[in-house]
Amino acid sequence: DIVMTQSPDSLAVSLGERATINCRSSQSVLYNSNNKNYLAWYQHKPGQPPKLLIYWASTRESGVPDRFSGSGSGTDFTLTISSLQAEDVAVYYCQQYYNSRHAFGQGTKLEI
Amino acid sequence: EVQLVESGGDLVQPGGSLRLSCAASGFTFSNYAMSWVRQAPGKGLEWVSLIGSGGSSIFYTDTFYADSVEGRFTISRDNSKNTLFLQMDSLRAEDTALYYCVKDHGGSGRMNWGQGTLVTVSS
Repeated sequence: DIVMTQSPDSLAVSLGERATINCRSSQSVLYNSNNKNYLAWYQHKPGQPPKLLIYWASTRESGVPDRFSGSGSGTDFTLTISSLQAEDVAVYYCQQYYNSRHAFGQGTKLEI
Repeated sequence: EVQLVESGGDLVQPGGSLRLSCAASGFTFSNYAMSWVRQAPGKGLEWVSLIGSGGSSIFYTDTFYADSVEGRFTISRDNSKNTLFLQMDSLRAEDTALYYCVKDHGGSGRMNWGQGTLVTVSS
């Protein structure tokens, strides 16, 4: 099974500052046949289903503010929020969909 | 517009059974694999199970389970009714969670989520 590990577990960032969340997979989630990384990032707020932010590791979902960006390839990935806003307080998860057991990272709690 | 509506969540005693349903609309259900994901109180997201699309096959559809539910939960689907199921047997307190139905990406990389249904296992 692919194990997803996020760091840090929690993060406090000032408004307007950059937030960086890391995700590492225990094996590569890059499909060589199409050169795509099968990794997504979600934002999860209480009382709501998770919201897709990024897919294919770096493609921003429609409607997601451009302060959110994803990067990385293979086994190491990063979600960056360039200028933190109050509404970005949430728990963030990475998820691999390289195989049929779509494991999540343990989550990173982002606070102001 | 993709819609996924879960139902069937309830309070059940340890050792009991429950069947969750997910009614899907807004897409060709039989073309997509489907998953269940859960979140226990105060915990993170946990992938529970996935079932292949089934497509034109009426005989076999691939199924996958997290180790924590293997042998106790059974995922299934009825493509004629656009419905996904999760049969949960031998329930434990640690199965208490909000259960989400998730439409797989089907090559797009994007997955869709329902609002969730709450399962509480307690005596």
